Amino acid sequence: GIQVEQSPPDLILQEGANSTLRCNFSDSVNNLQWFHQNPWGQLINLFYIPSGTKQNGRLSATTVATERYSLLYISSSQTTDSGVYFCAVERTSYDKVIFGPGTSLSVIP
Amino acid sequence: EAGVAQSPRYKIIEKRQSVAFWCNPISGHATLYWYQQILGQGPKLLIQFQNNGVVDDSQLPKDRFSAERLKGVDSTLKIQPAKLEDSAVYLCASSSRTSFDEQYFGPGTRLTVT
Repeated sequence: GIQVEQSPPDLILQEGANSTLRCNFSDSVNNLQWFHQNPWGQLINLFYIPSGTKQNGRLSATTVATERYSLLYISSSQTTDSGVYFCAVERTSYDKVIFGPGTSLSVIP
Repeated sequence: EAGVAQSPRYKIIEKRQSVAFWCNPISGHATLYWYQQILGQGPKLLIQFQNNGVVDDSQLPKDRFSAERLKGVDSTLKIQPAKLEDSAVYLCASSSRTSFDEQYFGPGTRLTVT
Protein backbone atom coordinates (compact mmCIF):
# COMPACT_ATOMS: atom_id res chain seq x y z
CA GLY A 1 0.00 0.00 0.00
CA ILE A 2 0.90 3.66 -0.19
CA GLN A 3 3.48 4.93 2.33
CA VAL A 4 3.27 8.40 3.86
CA GLU A 5 6.22 10.07 5.56
CA GLN A 6 6.31 13.39 7.37
CA SER A 7 9.27 15.49 8.41
CA PRO A 8 10.50 16.66 10.75
CA PRO A 9 8.93 14.42 13.42
CA ASP A 10 9.33 17.11 16.07
CA LEU A 11 9.83 20.86 15.86
CA ILE A 12 10.27 23.55 18.49
CA LEU A 13 9.87 27.16 17.41
CA GLN A 14 10.14 30.53 19.06
CA GLU A 15 6.95 32.53 18.71
CA GLY A 16 7.08 34.58 15.52
CA ALA A 17 9.30 32.16 13.61
CA ASN A 18 8.40 30.53 10.29
CA SER A 19 8.44 26.81 9.50
CA THR A 20 7.94 24.31 6.71
CA LEU A 21 6.49 20.86 7.24
CA ARG A 22 6.83 18.18 4.59
CA CYS A 23 4.71 15.20 3.56
CA ASN A 24 6.07 12.61 1.11
CA PHE A 25 3.98 9.84 -0.38
CA SER A 26 5.04 6.78 -2.31
CA ASP A 27 2.40 6.69 -5.03
CA SER A 28 0.19 9.08 -6.95
CA VAL A 29 -2.80 10.32 -4.98
CA ASN A 30 -6.17 11.75 -5.84
CA ASN A 31 -6.68 13.47 -2.53
CA LEU A 32 -4.51 15.04 0.14
CA GLN A 33 -5.53 16.90 3.25
CA TRP A 34 -3.61 18.65 6.06
CA PHE A 35 -4.94 18.55 9.62
CA HIS A 36 -3.94 20.15 12.90
CA GLN A 37 -4.57 18.12 16.04
CA ASN A 38 -4.68 20.52 18.95
CA PRO A 39 -3.47 19.62 22.45
CA TRP A 40 -7.04 18.59 23.36
CA GLY A 41 -7.07 16.00 20.57
CA GLN A 42 -9.44 17.70 18.14
CA LEU A 43 -8.50 17.25 14.47
CA ILE A 44 -9.09 20.42 12.50
CA ASN A 45 -9.07 20.75 8.73
CA LEU A 46 -6.42 23.04 7.38
CA PHE A 47 -6.31 22.39 3.67
CA TYR A 48 -7.79 20.05 1.11
CA ILE A 49 -5.06 20.22 -1.50
CA PRO A 50 -4.54 17.34 -3.96
CA SER A 51 -2.50 19.73 -6.13
CA GLY A 52 -1.50 23.35 -6.40
CA THR A 53 -1.18 26.03 -3.74
CA LYS A 54 -3.63 27.44 -1.21
CA GLN A 55 -3.33 30.08 1.47
CA ASN A 56 -5.35 30.77 4.57
CA GLY A 57 -4.03 33.59 6.72
CA ARG A 58 -0.62 32.68 8.12
CA LEU A 59 -0.82 29.17 6.70
CA SER A 60 -0.27 28.03 3.16
CA ALA A 61 0.18 24.68 1.48
CA THR A 62 1.60 23.43 -1.79
CA THR A 63 1.23 19.97 -3.29
CA VAL A 64 3.41 18.87 -6.19
CA ALA A 65 1.55 15.74 -7.17
CA THR A 66 3.99 14.73 -9.92
CA GLU A 67 6.85 14.70 -7.42
CA ARG A 68 4.76 13.14 -4.64
CA TYR A 69 5.12 15.68 -1.89
CA SER A 70 3.24 18.41 -0.10
CA LEU A 71 4.49 21.29 2.04
CA LEU A 72 2.75 23.17 4.80
CA TYR A 73 4.09 26.63 5.61
CA ILE A 74 3.44 28.34 8.92
CA SER A 75 4.48 31.96 9.14
CA SER A 76 4.74 34.15 12.23
CA SER A 77 3.99 31.16 14.46
CA GLN A 78 1.88 31.58 17.58
CA THR A 79 1.58 29.43 20.69
CA THR A 80 -1.86 28.34 19.50
CA ASP A 81 -0.18 26.66 16.51
CA SER A 82 1.22 24.02 18.88
CA GLY A 83 0.01 20.48 18.34
CA VAL A 84 0.49 17.73 15.79
CA TYR A 85 0.18 18.28 12.06
CA PHE A 86 -0.94 15.35 9.92
CA CYS A 87 -1.20 14.88 6.21
CA ALA A 88 -3.63 12.26 4.94
CA VAL A 89 -3.85 10.85 1.44
CA GLU A 90 -6.14 8.70 -0.65
CA ARG A 91 -4.75 7.04 -3.76
CA THR A 92 -8.07 6.62 -5.50
CA SER A 93 -11.72 6.78 -4.53
CA TYR A 94 -11.60 3.03 -3.90
CA ASP A 95 -8.61 3.09 -1.52
CA LYS A 96 -8.55 3.69 2.18
CA VAL A 97 -7.36 6.97 3.64
CA ILE A 98 -3.79 6.81 4.98
CA PHE A 99 -2.50 9.25 7.58
CA GLY A 100 1.16 10.11 8.00
CA PRO A 101 2.85 9.80 11.41
CA GLY A 102 2.60 13.53 12.05
CA THR A 103 4.90 16.43 12.95
CA SER A 104 4.70 17.53 16.56
CA LEU A 105 5.10 21.32 16.81
CA SER A 106 5.74 23.27 19.98
CA VAL A 107 5.72 27.06 19.78
CA ILE A 108 7.25 28.69 22.84
CA PRO A 109 6.72 32.32 23.87
CA GLU B 1 -23.81 23.98 10.95
CA ALA B 2 -23.40 21.48 13.76
CA GLY B 3 -20.23 19.40 13.72
CA VAL B 4 -19.70 15.68 14.13
CA ALA B 5 -20.97 14.51 17.50
CA GLN B 6 -19.55 11.59 19.45
CA SER B 7 -20.33 9.99 22.78
CA PRO B 8 -19.17 9.14 25.29
CA ARG B 9 -16.05 11.32 25.46
CA TYR B 10 -14.28 9.01 27.88
CA LYS B 11 -14.70 5.37 28.82
CA ILE B 12 -12.78 3.09 31.17
CA ILE B 13 -13.48 -0.64 31.07
CA GLU B 14 -11.80 -3.84 32.12
CA LYS B 15 -10.41 -6.27 29.56
CA ARG B 16 -12.94 -8.74 28.19
CA GLN B 17 -15.79 -6.27 28.77
CA SER B 18 -17.83 -4.77 25.93
CA VAL B 19 -18.11 -1.13 24.90
CA ALA B 20 -20.00 0.87 22.28
CA PHE B 21 -19.37 4.28 20.79
CA TRP B 22 -21.85 6.48 19.00
CA CYS B 23 -21.37 8.99 16.17
CA ASN B 24 -23.71 11.46 14.54
CA PRO B 25 -22.19 12.96 11.36
CA ILE B 26 -22.74 16.37 9.89
CA SER B 27 -26.23 16.60 8.41
CA GLY B 28 -26.30 15.51 4.80
CA HIS B 29 -22.87 13.87 4.82
CA ALA B 30 -23.08 10.55 3.03
CA THR B 31 -19.69 9.19 4.03
CA LEU B 32 -18.79 8.24 7.60
CA TYR B 33 -15.42 7.02 8.89
CA TRP B 34 -14.27 5.41 12.11
CA TYR B 35 -10.59 5.74 13.02
CA GLN B 36 -8.47 4.37 15.83
CA GLN B 37 -5.67 6.63 17.08
CA ILE B 38 -3.12 5.09 19.40
CA LEU B 39 -1.07 7.54 21.44
CA GLY B 40 1.77 8.99 19.38
CA GLN B 41 0.48 7.71 16.05
CA GLY B 42 -1.66 8.99 13.23
CA PRO B 43 -5.28 7.88 12.94
CA LYS B 44 -5.84 4.46 11.35
CA LEU B 45 -9.01 3.89 9.34
CA LEU B 46 -11.13 1.08 10.76
CA ILE B 47 -14.22 1.31 8.58
CA GLN B 48 -15.75 3.61 6.00
CA PHE B 49 -19.47 3.79 5.21
CA GLN B 50 -21.10 5.29 2.14
CA ASN B 51 -24.68 5.91 3.28
CA ASN B 52 -25.43 2.63 5.09
CA GLY B 53 -23.12 0.43 3.01
CA VAL B 54 -19.54 -0.52 3.90
CA VAL B 55 -16.90 0.83 1.48
CA ASP B 56 -13.80 -0.40 3.32
CA ASP B 57 -13.36 -2.43 6.50
CA SER B 58 -10.05 -4.08 5.67
CA GLN B 59 -8.38 -2.85 8.87
CA LEU B 60 -11.28 -3.64 11.21
CA PRO B 61 -10.46 -6.56 13.58
CA LYS B 62 -13.69 -8.34 12.80
CA ASP B 63 -13.30 -10.99 15.49
CA ARG B 64 -13.97 -8.32 18.13
CA PHE B 65 -14.98 -5.07 16.41
CA SER B 66 -18.28 -4.40 14.67
CA ALA B 67 -19.89 -1.29 13.27
CA GLU B 68 -23.20 -0.38 11.77
CA ARG B 69 -24.82 2.64 10.23
CA LEU B 70 -28.54 2.12 10.17
CA LYS B 71 -30.60 4.44 7.96
CA GLY B 72 -27.40 6.01 6.64
CA VAL B 73 -27.08 8.56 9.43
CA ASP B 74 -25.88 7.66 12.95
CA SER B 75 -23.31 4.97 13.49
CA THR B 76 -22.16 2.77 16.36
CA LEU B 77 -18.82 1.04 16.81
CA LYS B 78 -18.66 -1.88 19.23
CA ILE B 79 -15.79 -3.79 20.78
CA GLN B 80 -16.51 -7.18 22.31
CA PRO B 81 -14.47 -8.38 24.14
CA ALA B 82 -11.98 -5.56 24.69
CA LYS B 83 -8.23 -6.13 24.96
CA LEU B 84 -5.59 -3.95 26.57
CA GLU B 85 -4.24 -2.97 23.14
CA ASP B 86 -7.62 -1.44 22.25
CA SER B 87 -6.81 1.51 24.50
CA ALA B 88 -6.88 4.45 22.09
CA VAL B 89 -8.93 7.38 20.92
CA TYR B 90 -11.74 6.42 18.55
CA LEU B 91 -12.47 9.17 16.06
CA CYS B 92 -15.48 9.56 13.84
CA ALA B 93 -15.38 11.71 10.72
CA SER B 94 -17.75 12.51 7.90
CA SER B 95 -17.56 13.96 4.41
CA SER B 96 -20.15 15.02 1.92
CA ARG B 97 -19.12 13.03 -1.10
CA THR B 98 -18.30 9.49 -2.01
CA SER B 99 -14.56 9.80 -1.56
CA PHE B 100 -12.12 11.45 0.80
CA ASP B 101 -13.10 15.01 -0.03
CA GLU B 102 -12.87 17.16 3.07
CA GLN B 103 -13.28 15.14 6.21
CA TYR B 104 -14.60 16.71 9.38
CA PHE B 105 -13.77 15.03 12.67
CA GLY B 106 -15.64 14.68 15.92
CA PRO B 107 -13.97 15.19 19.32
CA GLY B 108 -13.25 11.47 19.75
CA THR B 109 -13.84 8.93 22.51
CA ARG B 110 -10.86 8.10 24.70
CA LEU B 111 -11.00 4.42 25.68
CA THR B 112 -8.87 2.98 28.45
CA VAL B 113 -8.88 -0.79 28.90
CA THR B 114 -7.47 -1.96 32.25
